[in-house]
Amino acid sequence: GQQLNQSPQSMFIQEGEDVSMNCTSSSIFNTWLWYKQDPGEGPVLLIALYKAGELTSNGRLTAQFGITRKDSFLNISASIPSDVGIYFCAGLSGTSYGKLTFGQGTILTVHP
Amino acid sequence: GAGVSQSPSNKVTEKGKDVELRCDPISGHTALYWYRQSLGQGLEFLIYFQGNSAPDKSGLPSDRFSAERTGGSVSTLTIQRTQQEDSAVYLCASSLQGPLGDQYFGPGTRLLVL
Repeated sequence: GQQLNQSPQSMFIQEGEDVSMNCTSSSIFNTWLWYKQDPGEGPVLLIALYKAGELTSNGRLTAQFGITRKDSFLNISASIPSDVGIYFCAGLSGTSYGKLTFGQGTILTVHP
Repeated sequence: GAGVSQSPSNKVTEKGKDVELRCDPISGHTALYWYRQSLGQGLEFLIYFQGNSAPDKSGLPSDRFSAERTGGSVSTLTIQRTQQEDSAVYLCASSLQGPLGDQYFGPGTRLLVL
């Protein structure tokens, strides 16, 4: 079945630093989504990508849909303490009927 | 506006008992999804509803799991004869545009089976 490999598994950074994480897949996706999850909460949608090569920003967040349609990355610029949480990539294929496939998550810790 | 809501937020039950988990999607969203999140397995798809029908039930782990949706809105996930391995966070999501739409998640129900 489809699998997403997300890296890194965890990151420890200083406030103000930039962060980059990525996901790769063995198969093609039509949509890439990036979510953030805080403890005790559900995932919150950060950015959605629909076209190969698409680069989309949401405030300090920037994400790209890889041209091969098998990868995506998320960058966070000038990190702040509230960026702490778990970030998940998720892919949706044209044949999956709404079934999101998730990466394993990147745990981000930001030191003030 | 109101997001996806789920109830209860936490549920502790004894092994062998049945449990019902409820999801209220965002108003107007036609598609509804259930996922399970556990430490060992990450986020796993369970079932997808379009309206009241479920085109994809492929993720349900066993026949002890069932789900229904009535009136194209509220959905209930039922787990019969719960087992300890059913302990997890059960997340519901909804989307406006059917299976290709962006999915918005609720806060989840934390189930603990003793």
